[in-house]
Amino acid sequence: SAVISQKPSRDICQRGTSLTIQCQVDSQVTMMFWYRQQPGQSLTLIATANQGSEATYESGFVIDKFPISRPNLTFSTLTVSNMSPEDSSIYLCSVEDATRALQFFGPGTRLTVL
Amino acid sequence: AQTVTQSQPEMSVQEAETVTLSCTYDTSENNYYLFWYKQPPSRQMILVIRQEAYKQQNATENRFSVNFQKAAKSFSLKISDSQLGDTAMYFCAFMKPLTQGGSEKLVFGKGTKLTVNP
Repeated sequence: SAVISQKPSRDICQRGTSLTIQCQVDSQVTMMFWYRQQPGQSLTLIATANQGSEATYESGFVIDKFPISRPNLTFSTLTVSNMSPEDSSIYLCSVEDATRALQFFGPGTRLTVL
Repeated sequence: AQTVTQSQPEMSVQEAETVTLSCTYDTSENNYYLFWYKQPPSRQMILVIRQEAYKQQNATENRFSVNFQKAAKSFSLKISDSQLGDTAMYFCAFMKPLTQGGSEKLVFGKGTKLTVNP
């Protein structure tokens, strides 16, 4: 399976600021996904990021709030903009192994907004 | 839209015993994949097991096995010889393959918190 790293692993931020989360994979992948896991909840997909095209956002998530970059086949960033305490969550990136129809997850970023 | 339901918010089991976690799903698709992921307190999502809908044979992975009932849209996870390290949140998930290759998003259930007691 792919080795996935995320930075930062955790952060505490003030409301109104923005945080960019990085996701790095040790192999080239076509599709990367960003999920949000609110406290005590399940995972919800924010958006799908393909290299070379605009990210596709799920209902309830907008580009102005969660801009995503995908500059190459091993890297992606998710920015959480103009944060409020409701954005406090774990943010996870995942990558697809298309040949085996599997998704593997990064270790997650725990975000706390005060 | 696909939905995944886990009706057991919490379960506990004694070490070395067997436990079964339930999952049901709703879909109109005929071809899809089902997964169980484990999330220990470290929050890392770990793939436990995968089942392809077109395969009748239940998937097994060491102490983990599934009971896949396609007609009933049921996908339970059995953990044999439970170990303390199995303590975690367990999420059932559904994924639909894209017709042109690759796969779509994972749709998760709400999870079952499993505690293995010594």
